[in-house]
Amino acid sequence: DSGVTQTPKHLITATGQRVTLRCSPRSGDLSVYWYQQSLDQGLQFLIQYYNGEERAKGNILERFSAQQFPDLHSELNLSSLELGDSALYFCASSGPGTLDTQYFGPGTRLTVL
Amino acid sequence: GQNIDQPTEMTATEGAIVQINCTYQTSGFNGLFWYQQHAGEAPTFLSYNVLDGLEEKGRFSSFLSRSKGYSYLLLKELQMKDSASYLCASYSSNTGKLIFGQGTTLQVKP
Repeated sequence: DSGVTQTPKHLITATGQRVTLRCSPRSGDLSVYWYQQSLDQGLQFLIQYYNGEERAKGNILERFSAQQFPDLHSELNLSSLELGDSALYFCASSGPGTLDTQYFGPGTRLTVL
Repeated sequence: GQNIDQPTEMTATEGAIVQINCTYQTSGFNGLFWYQQHAGEAPTFLSYNVLDGLEEKGRFSSFLSRSKGYSYLLLKELQMKDSASYLCASYSSNTGKLIFGQGTTLQVKP
């Protein structure tokens, strides 16, 4: 158990819908990262927040957005969902250093029908 | 930019030793991570190298050569539970991002 929690574990929805994925980092970690993992793409970095502020951005679609709240939990919002958005979404957290190890949560499996 | 290459699949025998290679091209390179991921589960941290040389952690060791843009993960005394995907990831201080390779799926056979 990494100490990172994610909810829900599974999510099934329809195209065009909007969903919110939630992540709570390990106690004391200020950084939260979001990744998408699909079968043909591997683990793709989406976005990083540090203590409430956006720090780095990867291949995140405009239909996707994220935020980190004062209690340091983070939410990833996915809207206008398409079939291709079906994937595992992982959250990771790390300490304040730039090279601190990232510890991953159990993931949310999103299925878009 | 960042580019990482590692073999797609490997097979090894229980009790044997296997070496998984990773080559990277990362501007502002500042560290190389290895993660293990069982199917459908979260990646779990195995090792981290920032300086050249070998880091040993029990049955797992990781090596880095910064001048060659090369790393390997060495798994000794293989067990069936080591069957998993092994992800190589490089960190760029230029972008502040950890970029993952596609992963090497290791199958351990009896």
